[in-house]
Amino acid sequence: ETVMTQSPATLSVSPGERATLSCRASQSVSSNLAWYQQKPGQAPRLLIYGASTRATGIPARFSGSGSGTEFTLTISSLQSEDFAVYYCQQYNNWPPWTFGQGTKVEIK
Amino acid sequence: EVQLVESGGGLVQPGGSLRLSCAASGFTFSSYWMHWVRQAPGKGLVWVSRVNSGGSSTSYADSVKGRFTISRDNAKNTLYLQMNSLRDEDTAVYYCVRHTSSWYGWFDPWGQGTLVTVSS
Repeated sequence: ETVMTQSPATLSVSPGERATLSCRASQSVSSNLAWYQQKPGQAPRLLIYGASTRATGIPARFSGSGSGTEFTLTISSLQSEDFAVYYCQQYNNWPPWTFGQGTKVEIK
Repeated sequence: EVQLVESGGGLVQPGGSLRLSCAASGFTFSSYWMHWVRQAPGKGLVWVSRVNSGGSSTSYADSVKGRFTISRDNAKNTLYLQMNSLRDEDTAVYYCVRHTSSWYGWFDPWGQGTLVTVSS
């Protein structure tokens, strides 16, 4: 099983600042990595797939990078609606499809 | 609009059974693999099971293998999850998710989820 590890667990950021979230895979997942956003009481929403491709309707302030075992999600200028939990997921080595434990982005 | 609507959740005693349903609309259901993903209260996302487009191939997480069965009815555009021998640790919101069209596919969209509570 490919274990996904996200850091940090919690990120405190002021509105307008940049947020950088990390995700590490226990073995290579190539570029088969997705990022999801989840707000309280809501289902997750796809943000990024293929490590760096934004999903339909996702603002340009969200960007993804990386390949192999190291990945990054960057939110260039945090808006109020961006405070949420973010999960990475690998879909290269399946089954199982595996998620990171999540990074909570909170208001500083 | 692509839509996934889960139903069938509720309170069940340990050892009991429950069947979840997911009604799909807005896309050609029979062309897509489908998954169930769960989330225990206050916890992260955990993949549970997957079925291929025709229903002939399935996969399960080790934690549910032998207890849960995923299936689909393409004529009714509906995905199912039969859950037997339920345990306390199966308590979670269960999401129905579409697998994108490629072999290496991500999950999009997600249903709103249905809550399963296993408790005596």
